[in-house]
Amino acid sequence: GAGVSQSPRYKVAKRGQDVALRCDPISGHVSLFWYQQALGQGPEFLTYFQNEAQLDKSGLPSDRFFAERPEGSVSTLKIQRTQQEDSAVYLCASSLGVRDSSNQPQHFGDGTRLSIL
Amino acid sequence: SQKIEQNSEALNIQEGKTATLTCNYTNYSPAYLQWYRQDPGRGPVFLLLIRENEKEKRKERLKVTFDTTLKQSLFHITASQPADSATYLCAPSNDYKLSFGAGTTVTVRA
Repeated sequence: GAGVSQSPRYKVAKRGQDVALRCDPISGHVSLFWYQQALGQGPEFLTYFQNEAQLDKSGLPSDRFFAERPEGSVSTLKIQRTQQEDSAVYLCASSLGVRDSSNQPQHFGDGTRLSIL
Repeated sequence: SQKIEQNSEALNIQEGKTATLTCNYTNYSPAYLQWYRQDPGRGPVFLLLIRENEKEKRKERLKVTFDTTLKQSLFHITASQPADSATYLCAPSNDYKLSFGAGTTVTVRA
């Protein structure tokens, strides 16, 4: 299909390891978002890209979290020296965002479920 | 800081009845509000967007209201079906950064 694709779907890592989560947005979508969703909660904003520019990273919990979108399409969220509290579902979303992305629907992937042992 | 509250209890209803979900927000004035549906193990799926100057919006069996005085949105599913069983998330926002409530889980019994 032509939806947002995330990989891997599940990731188990030992505390202290680094992980990388991938997002393939819908082709042509300018805006890309990462969210973190804890069990029983709604998604929480992490970071926002417009093309390759990271315009907002205010939601990243610490400097262990790093996101990039070097060519304005695929994005990677990297977490260094993982800790147990990083366990969550990480969702990627994209929107057309041609002009005003503030009131456009966001199209979500099915997320990566990260478990830190 | 801004706060978003949705029905704290899960909603169990009989097929054919109307489900009504509430979304209350405090400490900010969103320009628009989006509703999403999320199934277990899946990402949220966009349903409806309503702007602050719109009182009501409909899409098939769904109806959303937005009362900026009460700081509340109501989400109605009419003639509910078992396939409507899911968690519904509201996101009152002012910009690209969506802030979600915790969601309300709806179960429709056949």
